[in-house]
Amino acid sequence: GAVVSQHPSWVICKSGTSVKIECRSLDFQATTMFWYRQFPKQSLMLMATSNEGSKATYEQGVEKDKFLINHASLTLSTLTVTSAHPEDSSFYICSAPRDPGLHEQFFGPGTRLTVL
Amino acid sequence: AQSVSQHNHHVILSEAASLELGCNYSYGGTVNLFWYVQYPGQHLQLLLKYFSGDPLVKGIKGFEAEFIKSKFSFNLRKPSVQWSDTAEYFCAVNGSPGGGYQKVTFGTGTKLQVIP
Repeated sequence: GAVVSQHPSWVICKSGTSVKIECRSLDFQATTMFWYRQFPKQSLMLMATSNEGSKATYEQGVEKDKFLINHASLTLSTLTVTSAHPEDSSFYICSAPRDPGLHEQFFGPGTRLTVL
Repeated sequence: AQSVSQHNHHVILSEAASLELGCNYSYGGTVNLFWYVQYPGQHLQLLLKYFSGDPLVKGIKGFEAEFIKSKFSFNLRKPSVQWSDTAEYFCAVNGSPGGGYQKVTFGTGTKLQVIP
């Protein structure tokens, strides 16, 4: 099946610093990618839709200046958590649909962010 | 707005027992329905999906789900579970009123623990 990778798989940073997370589709092109956040023992919450060549679409309640998304190419989207705080600690997951007509998404393995 | 509810948060079964996980959704239009599985330490994987056609959908590893439109349900079933089915299961819905991408909404997940 299609493969989506994320880097890094885990990161620990100090409060106030910025962290960049990469999401890559390895064997297909993705004009759209999605970023989710998963809190412990909770479901995945969609944060934003990343669109290649245009601005990301953010879900209600998600600060676009805090969570910067750049869809640099058809195989790469990045999520930058700016001025991270401990409450930003979470599991961040990206996904990408390979075939627009099927709506099936392939998920990355996730990135565990811990902000000290 | 679309929503998904999963009735069981934690299910414990013995091997060979039958499984049924409930999923109900709320959406006024045409929906695509999914079950995803997350094995311990692994990323989300698609178990099965329903887009149209036969409402009884067969997925990988012996799982199946039945779409009952009148009940807005998409319950997951397996006649005989194995220890290796221990995982977290997420029901998800993707509304598609006019084609193109619509956001995927996930249920809160059900943790299945199979006891040998």
